[in-house]
Amino acid sequence: GENVEQHPSTLSVQEGDSAVIKCTYSDSASNYFPWYKQELGKGPQLIIDIRSNVGEKKDQRIAVTLNKTAKHFSLHITETQPEDSAVYFCAASPSNTGNQFYFGTGTSLTVIP
Amino acid sequence: DAGVTQSPTHLIKTRGQQVTLRCSPKSGHDTVSWYQQALGQGPQFIFQYYEEEERQRGNFPDRFSGHQFPNYSSELNVNALLLGDSALYLCASSLVLNTEAFFGQGTRLTVV
Repeated sequence: GENVEQHPSTLSVQEGDSAVIKCTYSDSASNYFPWYKQELGKGPQLIIDIRSNVGEKKDQRIAVTLNKTAKHFSLHITETQPEDSAVYFCAASPSNTGNQFYFGTGTSLTVIP
Repeated sequence: DAGVTQSPTHLIKTRGQQVTLRCSPKSGHDTVSWYQQALGQGPQFIFQYYEEEERQRGNFPDRFSGHQFPNYSSELNVNALLLGDSALYLCASSLVLNTEAFFGQGTRLTVV
């Protein structure tokens, strides 16, 4: 089955700096890659996603890039703010598994004011 | 739009008991997936329901079973609880033809 690896596990940045989280996947059938933000005591919140026919997608301060050849995708957060502090998860969904998501192990992001 | 709602939010059960967790999908969504999230880990797929049938299943034993009702709401049942079943159980809803999925706040299950 699909295997998603995520790095780093923890990340601390100064407010206003950029943060980058990287994920790799193993199954070439994966064609949908969402990113979720999870705050303490809450469920994961979808923040951005990308499909395999697109190389990059941006939504305000958040962007995601996908390299299908290398099987890796990344989340970029610019101008970080303290409210960006949370655990971020990447996920991959193979096209032949319906809507089944394989998640990475998460990155705990701390934005220092 | 209430989004995905789960009940209860917290639950404490004794080893060997059975538990039922409930999920109401986001309005307009017809597919419900269940995930188990152990502390400090990413969610692990349990199974998915569409048209009241289990469509996909992850690597979980038969002690884990589910149901989907005509109104698309769903239940997750776990029998013969083990200490290792302690986790946050998440429900996600989506449209079967659209991979975008939204999660509920989860049910924190503690087995003692």
